[in-house]
Amino acid sequence: NAGVTQTPKFQVLKTGQSMTLQCAQDMNHNSMYWYRQDPGMGLRLIYYSASEGTTDKGEVPNGYNVSRLNKREFSLRLESAAPSQTSVYFCASTESLIAGGPGVGIQYFGAGTRLSVL
Amino acid sequence: AQSVTQPDIHITVSEGASLELRCNYSYGATPYLFWYVQSPGQGLQLLLKYFSGDTLVQGIKGFEAEFKRSQSSFNLRKPSVHWSDAAEYFCAVLGGGADGLTFGKGTHLIIQP
Repeated sequence: NAGVTQTPKFQVLKTGQSMTLQCAQDMNHNSMYWYRQDPGMGLRLIYYSASEGTTDKGEVPNGYNVSRLNKREFSLRLESAAPSQTSVYFCASTESLIAGGPGVGIQYFGAGTRLSVL
Repeated sequence: AQSVTQPDIHITVSEGASLELRCNYSYGATPYLFWYVQSPGQGLQLLLKYFSGDTLVQGIKGFEAEFKRSQSSFNLRKPSVHWSDAAEYFCAVLGGGADGLTFGKGTHLIIQP
């Protein structure tokens, strides 16, 4: 049982390049999330997917797009990377208190992707 | 919208001493509250959670937290810290939907020998 798996673990991009961060969970969770972590800022929500087929913006969505490919996978895409997107990115999924319902419960986090944009 | 304040950016504690990390939240209804710990270069691990019921909750690694509605607080405590407790600690609140956690900015815990 791997939990939440993120790839890659590290990435260096040049300004203007694009890339996709991958996330997969094997816990059969309905809800999945993407956060970014910056020094002194805690974690901030970029996008989330309450259930397969739905996605919604979080606090800091500008410059990002997401795809909920299926129940297991939730990817984050940077179309044209900027230095301000240098950060550590975390994917999470939620065990729901309500079976099959919205993601009210414990969030489990991946190990993170460390992205530098030069 | 909910918010979380962790007033202490850094805290230094001697090994074996007691610890209290402060967390205050803002939310209109009864919140779901969490404490996570992050070791350097690692992801976040859940220490404990409060959903309802007993306001004193026990977590892993000997941590506990107390929910005080009147003070909008959810402070984390440990009676005797170990050097391995050195890490970043995050308090977080969930407003009741599927729209993600709101985190505090974290408290960096340093353990002195």
